[in-house]
Amino acid sequence: DAKTTQPNSMESNEEEPVHLPCNHSTISGTDYIHWYRQLPSQGPEYVIHGLTSNVNNRMASLAIAEDRKSSTLILHRATLRDAAVYYCILRANSKLTFGKGITLSVRP
Amino acid sequence: DGGITQSPKYLFRKEGQNVTLSCEQNLNHDAMYWYRQDPGQGLRLIYYSQIVNDFQKGDIAEGYSVSREKKESFPLTVTSAQKNPTAFYLCASRRGQGILNTEAFFGQGTRLTVV
Repeated sequence: DAKTTQPNSMESNEEEPVHLPCNHSTISGTDYIHWYRQLPSQGPEYVIHGLTSNVNNRMASLAIAEDRKSSTLILHRATLRDAAVYYCILRANSKLTFGKGITLSVRP
Repeated sequence: DGGITQSPKYLFRKEGQNVTLSCEQNLNHDAMYWYRQDPGQGLRLIYYSQIVNDFQKGDIAEGYSVSREKKESFPLTVTSAQKNPTAFYLCASRRGQGILNTEAFFGQGTRLTVV
């Protein structure tokens, strides 16, 4: 299975944009890129996913590199409620495998 | 409301006892998953099921068992063979067997403590 690599943590200021990177250099052509986030003591929630083109939804934007070996989750204006662990995962089959994710802290 | 429900939220058991964690969904989803999360760690896949009466081992299946007799239900049994059962357990479901671009929905988790 293709793996993803994320920094352990990142800090942001409230109301500023946040760019969360993810490397997936061994991605295959059929792998979808999914992002989830997990608030403390809760189950993860879906954020966004994409295959080749950049994607936008009400929560975030997903920018996918042209070679698909990396992607960036963009939160346009961070709020304190965005402080969470963000997971970047690849979906190539029915397995849904999570790594350790990146912990985002938001400063008031 | 549609959703995925795990019960109970907190569970205490004595060492050596088997314990079963409940996971029910009314989303009509085909696939269901069980994960374990330890403090400060990511999610590790225990078992998953793509369809009724079928399930596959994940990355850490030893000491656990599951059944999928109904589409709505995917109970997880933590057996006495699991050496470190104390953890946060999460259940998830997803629409569409074999479809890769559908999102997963998670329950709120069960925090199991074995003393």
